[in-house]
Amino acid sequence: QTVVTQEPSLTVSPGGTVTLTCASSTGAVTSSYYPNWFQQKPGQAPRALIYSTSNKHSWTPARFSGSLLGAKAALTLSGVQPEDEAEYYCLLYYGGAWVFGGGTKLTVL
Amino acid sequence: QVQLQESGPGLVKPSQTLSLTCTVSGGSISSNSYYWSWIRQPAGKGLEWIGLIYNSGSTRYNPSFRSRITMSIDTSKNQFSLNLSSVTAADTAVYYCAGDAGYWGQGTLVTVSS
Repeated sequence: QTVVTQEPSLTVSPGGTVTLTCASSTGAVTSSYYPNWFQQKPGQAPRALIYSTSNKHSWTPARFSGSLLGAKAALTLSGVQPEDEAEYYCLLYYGGAWVFGGGTKLTVL
Repeated sequence: QVQLQESGPGLVKPSQTLSLTCTVSGGSISSNSYYWSWIRQPAGKGLEWIGLIYNSGSTRYNPSFRSRITMSIDTSKNQFSLNLSSVTAADTAVYYCAGDAGYWGQGTLVTVSS
């Protein structure tokens, strides 16, 4: 059973920078896992932010960026806004199947 | 602008089959995404990938569902569908459809109860 692990919760101050990570139980996350990142606010459907490690959708704010950080996929928010408070999920590809991480609850305080 | 809309019964009895359809509007289903997915989310919990179907009709399923799941696509209707058989209360969740281009439906709540 493949497990994708994210920080359960993180807190950041408005205007600050925060990095969320996504690890795989199978080993180092590489670009071959095509990491995706999603944002979900309470009562709303998830919104796609990043695909294939670092590519942004047309609607993704510039302050969001994706990368590989050591053995993990990472989502960095620079200049955090109050409206960035949400749950963030990563999604990794395992040769035909995809697995979501458990999500990170980001609090802006 | 591409939009996705899930539709189907909101209540399914235990042991029966859950059937959902996702209708894609704002463009052709064959050109807007390479593949289409179903994802679900039980109340208060995280997202779970169920499976995907390519525009060609090929499928990839979460091994957890493999024996119960069928997906299909009808490009003439701009729709793709999910059938999940032998449902139990554990299948109660909000079900989302999504395309690999980043578009998601708003989700539909399916409750399994007698």
